[in-house]
Amino acid sequence: SQTIHQWPATLVQPVGSPLSLECTVEGTSNPNLYWYRQAAGRGLQLLFYSVGIGQISSEVPQNLSASRPQDRQFILSSKKLLLSDSGFYLCAWSRTSGSNEQFFGPGTRLTVL
Amino acid sequence: KNQVEQSPQSLIILEGKNCTLQCNYTVSPFSNLRWYKQDTGRGPVSLTIMTFSENTKSNGRYTATLDADTKQSSLHITASQLSDSASYICVVTGRNAGNMLTFGGGTRLMVKP
Repeated sequence: SQTIHQWPATLVQPVGSPLSLECTVEGTSNPNLYWYRQAAGRGLQLLFYSVGIGQISSEVPQNLSASRPQDRQFILSSKKLLLSDSGFYLCAWSRTSGSNEQFFGPGTRLTVL
Repeated sequence: KNQVEQSPQSLIILEGKNCTLQCNYTVSPFSNLRWYKQDTGRGPVSLTIMTFSENTKSNGRYTATLDADTKQSSLHITASQLSDSASYICVVTGRNAGNMLTFGGGTRLMVKP
């Protein structure tokens, strides 16, 4: 069966510090991968998606970047965090064919102080 | 612009009671609609998926309906339990390049004893 992992689960960082959130998927190959942000009480906002190694599409201009160094690894980064980067970050994967259901990871709660 | 609107934003009901959550969308052309359940601090989990030709689909105490003509969906929860307390997110997929998802803002349901 497929599983998706995210770490860390929670993170408190000062403004201006760097960020690296990691997401890995097990039990499948060549998945589509996604990063979402969910602000408190708000809906999910798609940040990045990837259809393959090194292929990243950005949905909104922002202070963040994403990379996919391996088939089942997706990393969300920032060089300098802003207060507005606080939120709940979710990674998701889907199959490249057939059902387009997205399977979500457990999320990372980021607080920027 | 593709949009998904959910109502109510929040709802409090007593354990054992029924409730209905609403979802209106403007996504076109339409591919499918999913209802996700998101427990606090966790990633969303899919409850049901409905395609254009489906009107009703059940998953235990959850029953989803879809009216593709009026672009409306509902999620009915029967005999609510405390564990139903969560956010319920309506997600619509368009039949377009990339099959990207449009998320509703969610309905936060609280079931009280």
